[in-house]
Amino acid sequence: DAGITQSPRHKVTETGTPVTLRCHQTENHRYMYWYRQDPGHGLRLIHYSYGVKDTDKGEVSDGYSVSRSKTEDFLLTLESATSSQTSVYFCAISEGPSYGYTFGSGTRLTVV
Amino acid sequence: DQQVKQNSPSLSVQEGRISILNCDYTNSMFDYFLWYKKYPAEGPTFLISISSIKDKNEDGRFTVFLNKSAKHLSLHIVPSQPGDSAVYFCAALGGKAAGNKLTFGGGTRVLVKP
Repeated sequence: DAGITQSPRHKVTETGTPVTLRCHQTENHRYMYWYRQDPGHGLRLIHYSYGVKDTDKGEVSDGYSVSRSKTEDFLLTLESATSSQTSVYFCAISEGPSYGYTFGSGTRLTVV
Repeated sequence: DQQVKQNSPSLSVQEGRISILNCDYTNSMFDYFLWYKKYPAEGPTFLISISSIKDKNEDGRFTVFLNKSAKHLSLHIVPSQPGDSAVYFCAALGGKAAGNKLTFGGGTRVLVKP
């Protein structure tokens, strides 16, 4: 959707390799989030950011790290990919309370 | 421990009829409740929301009802249209103190039959 872009859209990687997913926004929103979507689990929060260099863990943060050096970019890194991290990853941005989120189109990651 | 639950994974309804999607939550501190709609290969899109101080919000064919005492909300779609076929996620917003985080339910797949 306009204003938020995820890259890559698809990726296949091998177990044990590092992977970085990128989320880029042009809305200048303060809050950015990474979620993963798995069947039966809905969307689960991995990490989120409430400002440049300000990040915190979500409910499924093990095996993931994030960085936000600029307002517009939020990176999600899998330090050593495992098959359990095969999923669809969504980035979201928000202006703040009650505004809800705007989601990117997702990155489908397959770890083989 | 799921704080937001959608107990019906799927729902099938005839075009023109009402679709009712249900959602239960456990945390009484949630400030807002939202519904998102998701088509395959796309990100979720915002549909409708309701503040925790209200019990009903209506937007066209979509109405959300909140029953705080039962910690339950529902989404009514009437009349249902084939284009409404999608996965619907219920979500609850924790507020500034909780990092404005959205907690999602597992989703309900709706199929509207022509």
